[in-house]
This record gives sequence, C-alpha cells and structure tokens, in this order.
Amino acid sequence: QSALTQPASVSGSPGQSITISCTGTSSDVGSYNLVSWYQQHPGKAPKLMIYEVSKRPSGVSNRFSGSKSGNTASLTISGLQAEDEADYYCCSYAGSSTFWVFGGGTKLTVL
Amino acid sequence: QVQLQESGPGLVKPSQTLSLTCTVSGGSISSGDYYWSWIRQHPGKGLEWIGYIYYSGSTYYNPSLKSRVTISVDTSKNQFSLKLSSVTAADTAVYYCAMKGGSGNAFDIWGQGTMVTVSS
Repeated sequence: QSALTQPASVSGSPGQSITISCTGTSSDVGSYNLVSWYQQHPGKAPKLMIYEVSKRPSGVSNRFSGSKSGNTASLTISGLQAEDEADYYCCSYAGSSTFWVFGGGTKLTVL
Repeated sequence: QVQLQESGPGLVKPSQTLSLTCTVSGGSISSGDYYWSWIRQHPGKGLEWIGYIYYSGSTYYNPSLKSRVTISVDTSKNQFSLKLSSVTAADTAVYYCAMKGGSGNAFDIWGQGTMVTVSS
C-alpha cells in the first residue's frame, strides 16, 4: 500500500483537461512544498514533469501544471493529447525519518 | 547532459545479496549538490524509494529497507552502487538509479531501469 493516495485511473478526450489528485497527510504533502510528479510510458523510465509542487523542468510542456491545497496535491493536464496517455506518479518529501514517499500511480487514458 | 545506466545480475537467488551499479556519464558524480538514488518498481506496481547517497558518502535509506540496504559511491569510476541483502521474491522489481537535485528537490534524471528477479 502506497503512502500517497492517487486514483487508479482517469480519462479524458483530446483537447480536454484532466486533474489527478494525490492525497497524503500532514507529515508529507501537507508539511512540505516538495511534491513532484512523474510520467511513465509502458516499459520506460519515469520522467519528471513537475517539481516543488508547481515548477516545470525545462522542456516540459506548459500544458502540465501542479498545485497543492492542504494534504492534497494535484496535477492538471490541459489540452489533452494522445501522447499524454501514460501512468502518472506523485512523490512527496516526508521528513528526515521517512524521506520520500510515492503514490500508487494513476493510469491516464486519452479516449 | 548527465545520463545514468544500471548494470548487474538479472537473477538473484533467495537469501543472497542483490548488487547493482549505476554508471554516471556526461558529468561528475562529485560535482554539484546532487543525491544519487535508487528507486524500485515491483511488477505492475508503483514506485518505492530505496535510498540515496551524497557524493561525500552520506547515506539516507528508506526505513523499511534500512537494515538490508547499503549504497556506496566510487568517485574514481563515476559510479554508485546498491547492495540489498537477504533478498526474497518480494524484492523482484525493476531497479532504477536516479539523480536528485538538478531540478530542485526531485528525481530529475533516471536510468532506463534493470529488472531483477529473485528466484532459485
């Protein structure tokens, strides 16, 4: 059982927007602005899409955005494209004992 | 552009020690404020942080694996390594090495991953 809770699946049509939630606790997501999001295509390594809640690495489309409210972080993908179909994982710092925890992943299907 | 490549046996017997190496290319393992990490993914499951090491040798481990994990760095070879002792079938997973720190507090560069199966 993963430390952070994500929906197992979400779906949307091309051009639409979707949001994936990531719920933690006051010990991880709620305490630190150190949430990151990763995209993973089948058989590939994860790719960093968002770091420190809402920052985008160079080269990542501005269609990807992140936010946080309380113990829940969110990843929003706007203008859905077929290439966005993948698994998405959230990750949060959880303090100097536990360090880093991941969510169980969300499978995004572009209809 | 830093690149990471895992290497090591794909099959390990139960109770033995899993050993993997990550070779860093395109940059020095000793430069910058980076943490060299190991993350694993059980088949069809989510990601699990195993631990990381700073180039100086300071290590940080997942408390659930701490008693069995050792991460070390060899700056002369620009490599870092993972040892996981007393493995069981539950340790069967794809093991990734990753770099934390290039883009703030996140794992921004990953190796391609290597599948390790624990079986007799």
